[in-house]
Amino acid sequence: SQKIEQNSEALNIQEGKTATLTCNYTNYSPAYLQWYRQDPGRGPVFLLLIRENEKEKRKERLKVTFDTTLKQSLFHITASQPADSATYLCALASDYKLSFGAGTTVTVRA
Amino acid sequence: SAVISQKPSRDICQRGTSLTIQCQVDSQVTMMFWYRQQPGQSLTLIATANQGSEATYESGFVIDKFPISRPNLTFSTLTVSNMSPEDSSIYLCSVESGGNEQFFGPGTRLTVL
Repeated sequence: SQKIEQNSEALNIQEGKTATLTCNYTNYSPAYLQWYRQDPGRGPVFLLLIRENEKEKRKERLKVTFDTTLKQSLFHITASQPADSATYLCALASDYKLSFGAGTTVTVRA
Repeated sequence: SAVISQKPSRDICQRGTSLTIQCQVDSQVTMMFWYRQQPGQSLTLIATANQGSEATYESGFVIDKFPISRPNLTFSTLTVSNMSPEDSSIYLCSVESGGNEQFFGPGTRLTVL
């Protein structure tokens, strides 16, 4: 069966450190993978998209890698700030549809 | 990008009743999606709504329970019919941009008593 697993439910880090989140999947062949941020009581907000033929994407303090052999994506938040505290969701795209992981809640301590 | 609004933002309903959720987009879009997010869980796609055609439902979701309308390119409704407490959830609509990313509405928080 298809499965998307994000490494842990919660990640607590000190301000200024790098947060690394993992997304592993099985029985998918996604054309691309996306990362979203969700704050409590709000809908997800798109952050980054990486295609199957891309190894790495960056946007400001965010970096995403995509390894289709390992079936894994890593999401990094560098120089983390308390404002980065949120739940981060990975989503795999098949055709036009997205399948979401359960999310990792990141808390950045000042 | 797209700006999406949903109505109502939240509601408390009695078992056996129905609720219609509205989703309005500030631009014309081809595809709109409806998701459910149960407490503490991730998003599950309910159906895809294209203007001018029947909605396409995912496994486990049926039209009788979740009828969808898509009368034009900026608007859609999702009805949760004959509700039970198990339908308590956040319901979100989204649209896809030309670049494959999806933009989400703020969600409708439904509680069924």
